Amino acid sequence: DAGVTQSPTHLIKTRGQQVTLRCSPKSGHDTVSWYQQALGQGPQFIFQYYEEEERQRGNFPDRFSGHQFPNYSSELNVNALLLGDSALYLCASSWGTSSETQYFGPGTRLLVL
Amino acid sequence: AQKVTQAQTEISVVEKEDVTLDCVYETRDTTYYLFWYKQPPSGELVFLIRRNSFDEQNEISGRYSWNFQKSTSSFNFTITASQVVDSAVYFCALSADNGGFKTIFGAGTRLFVKA
Repeated sequence: DAGVTQSPTHLIKTRGQQVTLRCSPKSGHDTVSWYQQALGQGPQFIFQYYEEEERQRGNFPDRFSGHQFPNYSSELNVNALLLGDSALYLCASSWGTSSETQYFGPGTRLLVL
Repeated sequence: AQKVTQAQTEISVVEKEDVTLDCVYETRDTTYYLFWYKQPPSGELVFLIRRNSFDEQNEISGRYSWNFQKSTSSFNFTITASQVVDSAVYFCALSADNGGFKTIFGAGTRLFVKA
């Protein structure tokens, strides 16, 4: 039973560039949530996708956008990168949009120079 | 507003000691869920436990135990006879139905277990 997978594992970008991160949910899960974890902090909720729509959004600017595909996989896009976007980006999958436990992937470490 | 507070930034213990990680939460919702996750140096968050607001029964799983007290809005986590492999950052999290569930994490407690 494959768990949550994310790609790439590491990424280096420069300010102003755009980045796309990818996530495949755990088998049987249909909901994907994205989190940003800055160094030394807890994960911060970015948004959640269910049935290919954004269902919930945290306090992040419009530079952060996403997409969910029919196979439930998801992408996180960040435009006009800032130095402060450097962080570990975590994807979590679950079943439905209720209180089911989220299972996390290994994350993508993004460094913006 | 929802909030999770983990007041202990770092804890250092010697192997075989017991250690308790504190978690205090705030929510106005009557239905909510509490979680603990472990984050080893690899970075992946590992799910440990989920409790709902209607179930205050304490839980034990091997060396791990959890104490949920609604009266004090606390959900503390105890590791008995700690081991070096327990060294990690531990996060407490809260999820409530406010038009959809989104999970709020505390800042985490870094646990060092020395041999």
